[in-house]
Amino acid sequence: QVQLLQSGAEVKKPGSSVKVSCKASGGTFSTFAISWVRQAPGQGLEWMGTTIPVLRTSNYARNFQGRVTITADESAKTVYMEVSSLRSEDTAVYYCATFSNGHFDFWGQGTLVTVSS
Amino acid sequence: QSVLTQPPSVSGAPGQRVSISCTGSSSNIGAGYDVHWYQQLPGTAPKLLIYGNNNRPSGVPDRFSVSKSDTSASLAITGLQAEDEAHYHCQSYDGSLSGRVFGGGTKLTVL
Repeated sequence: QVQLLQSGAEVKKPGSSVKVSCKASGGTFSTFAISWVRQAPGQGLEWMGTTIPVLRTSNYARNFQGRVTITADESAKTVYMEVSSLRSEDTAVYYCATFSNGHFDFWGQGTLVTVSS
Repeated sequence: QSVLTQPPSVSGAPGQRVSISCTGSSSNIGAGYDVHWYQQLPGTAPKLLIYGNNNRPSGVPDRFSVSKSDTSASLAITGLQAEDEAHYHCQSYDGSLSGRVFGGGTKLTVL
């Protein structure tokens, strides 16, 4: 059973950046694709992007291109997601999830990012 | 504004059947892309409920089933139980956006 453990909650100022980590255990990391999905308070889910660590490739939702960067450290079995130029609308819970055959199989516990001056 | 449209809420009494719709367009569900469903219990992360054509991960009862027609899909829950009270999200792929898309989520209340 794959488990994803995310880093803790963050409070950031508008205009700054945040980097959230997602460490995988169980399964074979080299076969994973990992996605990031966020959920603003009281809202639905929004796909941000997906990375395939072994191929060192990432693709992003149009809404986030240029402002979100997803990277991976294979040796640490960890994926990172960085959002720059934060604004209040970025306040949300950010989830990582394994991705296969078009769907998201296993999810992390979520990381609350609060953007406030 | 979500690309896929779901009703904000549905409700039903224990033992009843409820269904949740997910309406898309010709660039996502209507283009033949699979629809997947997630259950999100209060205060927790979403969990994969059904993927593709009625494929259930281990542990998901067959009280949950899906159907698909033209540009929409539906999740049906039979024999409603108190523990089914949660938010349900549909998800697909959109060819025009070249990305994964979700519905806005539906809150199921068990009366």
